[in-house]
Amino acid sequence: EAQVTQNPRYLITVTGKKLTVTCSQNMNHEYMSWYRQDPGLGLRQIYYSMNVEVTDKGDVPEGYKVSRKEKRNFPLILESPSPNQTSLYFCASRPGQFYEQYFGPGTRLTVT
Amino acid sequence: RKEVEQDPGPFNVPEGATVAFNCTYSNSASQSFFWYRQDCRKEPKLLMSVYSSGNEDGRFTAQLNRASQYISLLIRDSKLSDSATYLCVVNVYSSASKIIFGSGTRLSIRP
Repeated sequence: EAQVTQNPRYLITVTGKKLTVTCSQNMNHEYMSWYRQDPGLGLRQIYYSMNVEVTDKGDVPEGYKVSRKEKRNFPLILESPSPNQTSLYFCASRPGQFYEQYFGPGTRLTVT
Repeated sequence: RKEVEQDPGPFNVPEGATVAFNCTYSNSASQSFFWYRQDCRKEPKLLMSVYSSGNEDGRFTAQLNRASQYISLLIRDSKLSDSATYLCVVNVYSSASKIIFGSGTRLSIRP
């Protein structure tokens, strides 16, 4: 089944404790993105990747890192999480720049 | 001004009604357009792409007006299961991968 998977689905952590949210797609898509969704603010892009080893900042990259060492994986790293990073996070992939995106199921992160 | 604007709603309509949403975009370099639906706390799912010639998928019809820079979604014979938030999404031609989401329109179908 073609899909985007994310893990973990739910995470409660404390300020400053490094964490990684994994994202994987099995559709051989070139593009992958990370978004966060907050009430009243909609979906905002954090980082995106156009291919292996090619990543760039989105609209809200502060406090996040990403890497794209393999085409299928695009982990999101929070080196020192803070409470303002409490949010619902979605990973997405698409086959080309102007194509539709496919989203993972989301990761609900709470930082206390 | 937001780059993609949608009426936030909520739209509350009876089952069987026809409902229409509009979405306006400001960037003339916009290249591709989509409607997604999102259920509460779930991931957005593609409803349909939007083409200049207009396209239809069952009860759903999407239109694109490049001259006026808006896209629309029409839902006919609405079902209870159509209750969701509908997101307008625009891909902009640029050196970067710029995807802009509207803030969504909430639709509630009542029996």
